[in-house]
Amino acid sequence: DSGVTQTPKHLITATGQRVTLRCSPRSGDLSVYWYQQSLDQGLQFLIQYYNGEERAKGNILERFSAQQFPDLHSELNLSSLELGDSALYFCASGRTSGSPSTDTQYFGPGTRLTVL
Amino acid sequence: AQTVTQSQPEMSVQEAETVTLSCTYDTSESDYYLFWYKQPPSRQMILVIRQEAYKQQNATENRFSVNFQKAAKSFSLKISDSQLGDAAMYFCAYRSVFGNEKLTFGTGTRLTIIP
Repeated sequence: DSGVTQTPKHLITATGQRVTLRCSPRSGDLSVYWYQQSLDQGLQFLIQYYNGEERAKGNILERFSAQQFPDLHSELNLSSLELGDSALYFCASGRTSGSPSTDTQYFGPGTRLTVL
Repeated sequence: AQTVTQSQPEMSVQEAETVTLSCTYDTSESDYYLFWYKQPPSRQMILVIRQEAYKQQNATENRFSVNFQKAAKSFSLKISDSQLGDAAMYFCAYRSVFGNEKLTFGTGTRLTIIP
């Protein structure tokens, strides 16, 4: 158990819908990272939040957005869903004590999203 | 941009034997971190081992060790005394020390353990 929690475990929805994925980082971790794992794209970095602020963006679609709340949990919002958005979405957390950061990222169990 | 290549989509090994998974990467940075993550059928991503590029000594964690060749940009994972529980997808990943902290992953190697 990494200490990172994600809900829900599974999500089945229809095209055009909107869903919210939730992540709680390990105790003491300030950074949350979101990754997408799909068959055709592999594991890709989407976005990072550090202590409530967006820190880095990767290959995140404009239909997707995220935020990190004062209690450090994070939500990834996916809207106007398409079939191709079906994937496993991971949240990871790390301490990020400054620059250079030496933290390792610990992954949650993931949310499997199926868009029908 | 950094890239990570795992050229072995699948590997198999007899139980109790040793297997080596290959990983190469491309970067212009001199300081960085390298990781091996394991993804068993449960799909959980589990950290196996980590290497800091400025350290010449190869990292080891029990039965897992790496062969880090910085000049060759190679980072292979050796699993000794393979066990059935080692069956999984293994991903090599790169992370910069400065700037973007994202992990850049390879495409993975599926390891099968033969009883």
